[in-house]
Amino acid sequence: AQTVTQSQPEMSVQEAETVTLSCTYDTSESDYYLFWYKQPPSRQMILVIRQEAYKQQNATENRFSVNFQKAAKSFSLKISDSQLGDAAMYFCAYRSGDDKIIFGKGTRLHILP
Amino acid sequence: SQTIHQWPATLVQPVGSPLSLECTVEGTSNPNLYWYRQAAGRGLQLLFYSVGIGQISSEVPQNLSASRPQDRQFILSSKKLLLSDSGFYLCAWLTGANVLTFGAGSRLTVL
Repeated sequence: AQTVTQSQPEMSVQEAETVTLSCTYDTSESDYYLFWYKQPPSRQMILVIRQEAYKQQNATENRFSVNFQKAAKSFSLKISDSQLGDAAMYFCAYRSGDDKIIFGKGTRLHILP
Repeated sequence: SQTIHQWPATLVQPVGSPLSLECTVEGTSNPNLYWYRQAAGRGLQLLFYSVGIGQISSEVPQNLSASRPQDRQFILSSKKLLLSDSGFYLCAWLTGANVLTFGAGSRLTVL
């Protein structure tokens, strides 16, 4: 069975600095999708970024980028120029070939002014 | 436009009572539908997912069940709630653009 592990329960970063959130996963599949979701205090889940496993190029969305290492089964999220509005829970997620989508336990990100 | 509705938003139920949470999606057909539970301060646990009517995969064998009576309706049920069923329940659907879109959630407190 697939698993998603986020080893950092909490992280803090100074405003305007860069932070990297870690995610590793375990799978025997070769074709899958990976996601990062953000959950602010409102608890609404917001897609941050997604990556198809067959694509070697790392996905980027404005200040958000990923470092996808397929062989290492690692999918970290880098947030550049951190802003106060980035404070939230961040979840890494994995979509398998049968469309099951599982999440890690999350990393709570604090932005220090 | 495509939207997802989930209700009720808040529910307080006694132990042993039944549960029904409903989720509907508008503006699409044959969506993949998902139910997740989030305990306080924790991650999202996948409970059930459905890739079509009559096709429901269960990830937890406990006292919860799911049904999909219509193409765009997904219902989470329990015959007898436990204290451990308290949490934040999220319904979601997978768009054609490969985006998991969530409802606003249902907060369940079992007393």
